Amino acid sequence: EAQVTQNPRYLITVTGKKLTVTCSQNMNHEYMSWYRQDPGLGLRQIYYSMNVEVTDKGDVPEGYKVSRKEKRNFPLILESPSPNQTSLYFCASSPAGQLQETQYFGPGTRLLVL
Amino acid sequence: SQKIEQNSEALNIQEGKTATLTCNYTNYSPAYLQWYRQDPGRGPVFLLLIRENEKEKRKERLKVTFDTTLKQSLFHITASQPADSATYLCALLSGGYQKVTFGIGTKLQVIP
Repeated sequence: EAQVTQNPRYLITVTGKKLTVTCSQNMNHEYMSWYRQDPGLGLRQIYYSMNVEVTDKGDVPEGYKVSRKEKRNFPLILESPSPNQTSLYFCASSPAGQLQETQYFGPGTRLLVL
Repeated sequence: SQKIEQNSEALNIQEGKTATLTCNYTNYSPAYLQWYRQDPGRGPVFLLLIRENEKEKRKERLKVTFDTTLKQSLFHITASQPADSATYLCALLSGGYQKVTFGIGTKLQVIP
């Protein structure tokens, strides 16, 4: 089944404790992206990647890192999480040159930073 | 700065009627506009795309219009059903079609 998977789905952590949220897609898509969703603010793009080793900042990249060493994986790294990073996170992917046609979203990761 | 507004946070409509959702934008020149559906606790699901040079797009009971002069897109669901109840998001693509900006969404409730 074609899908985008995220792990973990739920995470409670404390301020300053480094964490990684994994994202993997099995559709051989070139484009991948991370979003956070907050009440009243909607979905905001954090980082995106056009292909392996090619990443760029979205609208809210501060406090986050990403890497794209393999085509299928696009992990989101929070080196020193803070409470304002408590949010619902979504990973998405799209075929190259077809971002405008669609994005496939993962199920989301709900993060609580205490 | 760029801004996207969706007409209201919530919209209630009677089953069978046409639901119309609005997406307005400012300080933006998008080449593409997308509409997504999001159910509680789930990721958005792509519904329709419309290009800047297209006026209207249809898919089954869905219709999207795009007016670049008014900087507005309208999303219509005809013969609405309770199963259409969800949050609907508009998204604009710019910057070489790599950056995506979403609106906050409109929560639609179709009342039986």
